[in-house]
Formats: sequence, structure tokens, C-alpha cells
Amino acid sequence: DTGVSQDPRHKITKRGQNVTFRCDPISEHNRLYWYRQTLGQGPEFLTYFQNEAQLEKSRLLSDRFSAERPKGSFSTLEIQRTEQGDSAMYLCASSSSGATNEKLFFGSGTQLSVL
Amino acid sequence: GENVEQHPSTLSVQEGDSAVIKCTYSDSASNYFPWYKQELGKRPQLIIDIRSNVGEKKDQRIAVTLNKTAKHFSLHITETQPEDSAVYFCAASDHYGGATNKLIFGTGTLLAVQP
Repeated sequence: DTGVSQDPRHKITKRGQNVTFRCDPISEHNRLYWYRQTLGQGPEFLTYFQNEAQLEKSRLLSDRFSAERPKGSFSTLEIQRTEQGDSAMYLCASSSSGATNEKLFFGSGTQLSVL
Repeated sequence: GENVEQHPSTLSVQEGDSAVIKCTYSDSASNYFPWYKQELGKRPQLIIDIRSNVGEKKDQRIAVTLNKTAKHFSLHITETQPEDSAVYFCAASDHYGGATNKLIFGTGTLLAVQP
């Protein structure tokens, strides 16, 4: 599978614990995005990288959230001191800024449940 | 910032009928409008997109129209089949070939095609 891959697919954690998700974008894509999706809603933008640089963060992204893309390839999203309101599907997407018609491709997501 | 509204929230059609989903956007600078199909528990998949220099685009049974003056765009599915049943999301981006392809999504339309 040469698409965007995310790990783990599901994560159940207790309130107050830290969790980390990983995203591997399509190999030639230099842009990587994190979105959050709750039941019955469309994906909401969280943050965006071009190569290793984090260029934009949504106001939705509280101080407990941090994302990295250290080598411009895979990315991690960490949530510290999880709260029940963090329960959602976390989607990663990637694109290539060099493409004539840039398109965003999504991974299958990590479903987070905070108990 | 950009705001995207999508209607209807649910749509039930008979197999073979047409389905139309409509979206409006608020930011006149938006110039890229993709549509994603999401089946239960799966990733959003890009099915068609349109850019602001085009008024209509068609791909087999799927077509998208864009009215920049009115700031609305629509998805048309003809000859619907049961496998078209899914949640459909429209989205708008306000950067074309620029620094970001951040997408703002609508709230989704649950399409049910009755056999």
C-alpha cells in the first residue's frame, strides 16, 4: 500500500495519560496535514507541515497537543494529559506542492477513545 | 476565516435516480473545491475536484458545478447505485498553488441509495 498510513488504528486510554500517533505520508509528498474528525462532522484542520517546518497551527490545537516532523518524512502527533473531549478520529493527509494540481490524500486515521 | 455549509445532511434516493448535494462558502478568495466520499470506518477519498477557473467538471456519473459569483458549488451523481451510499463532504481551500492547501470541510451528507 503506497498511500498514507497511520498507526495505531485504534487507541484507548485513560484520562490524563499521554498518547502519540504516527503518520507516514505518501513518499514523494512534502506537505503533511493533521485533521480531527468527530462523529457526524467533517474533518477539522489542526496543523500543517511543509517538509520539516510546521507552518500553521489551528486555534483548536491547545498547548497539550504537539506535532513534529523531524526529517520531513513521517510525523507524530502527541496529546498530553488527555481529556474525554479529545476522543475523536485523528486523520493525517499529505500532498505534493510540486504537483500541477495539488490534491490532498488522507490516511485511515487513528480512532482515540479517552475513558 | 472560511466557512463551508453543506445541505442536505441526509439524502435518500432510489437506485438509478440522481442525487444533488450543495455547498456554499464564505471566503471569496477560495479557489479549490474538492469532494470526498467516506464510507463507514474508512478514510475520506477524493472523488472529484474543481478549481475556480472552471465552471463544471464531469467524471463518468459524477459532476461538480461551481458558481463563484454566488459562492456555491454542487455535486451531482447520476444513475445512483447502492455502492454510492456513503457520507459525502465538500471542502474549500483559499490557497491555490500557494503555501498551503488547507481545506475547510462541510458537515457532510449521508447518502442512502435504496435498491
